[in-house]
Amino acid sequence: EGQLVESGGGLVQPGGSLRLSCAASGLTFSSYWMSWVRQAPGKGLEWVANIKPDGIEKHYVDSVKGRFTISRDNAKNSLSLQMNSLRVEDTAVYYCARVLWVPAAMVYYYYYMDVWGKGTTVTVSS
Amino acid sequence: IQMTQSPSSLSASVGDRVTITCRASQNIGSYLNWYQQRPGKAPKLLIYAASILHSGVPSRFSGSGSGTVFTLTISILQPEDFATYYCQQNYNTLWTFGQGTKVEIK
Repeated sequence: EGQLVESGGGLVQPGGSLRLSCAASGLTFSSYWMSWVRQAPGKGLEWVANIKPDGIEKHYVDSVKGRFTISRDNAKNSLSLQMNSLRVEDTAVYYCARVLWVPAAMVYYYYYMDVWGKGTTVTVSS
Repeated sequence: IQMTQSPSSLSASVGDRVTITCRASQNIGSYLNWYQQRPGKAPKLLIYAASILHSGVPSRFSGSGSGTVFTLTISILQPEDFATYYCQQNYNTLWTFGQGTKVEIK
């Protein structure tokens, strides 16, 4: 099934930057969409960003657009999330997840996140 | 697309039948997934495409619905099922989760 391991979390001041990484093993990383999902302390899950296998098509939740950048290195089986202009409300555990898909109808697909890392904690505080 | 789960929490006993509802703010067809999250752990996929059981998930879990109303049912609640459950839509490119339903021990 494979494994995902996140790293790079830590304490950063508001306005600062942080780069998260997700190392994949035991799965054909380059074939899959990948996602970042976060969870603020005591809160629910929030999808953050997706990236297509070729690294070109990307999608972001509105609250991080223009501040966060998702990227991938298929040669190194690695996913990244560059986070700039961090805010207190970005404090969360950040998970990376593999995205699978199955055909729905015509050109559409059902997407779902089947393999998750254990998460890395980002704290934005002065 | 906004996803609203009900109830936000529930208390149940081992052996009970539990149903959680998820409502979408617009028609999302069957583009709906369910996840389970135990405290301090990463989420786990239970059901995708509204009703397809993910590999390895016990058959006591089932999903139904389409359009705007979906349900997750646990037919016979087991001790390991006490957790928080989330629905998630993938109808468009901006995915959203429900706020979660916490299943607690009565």
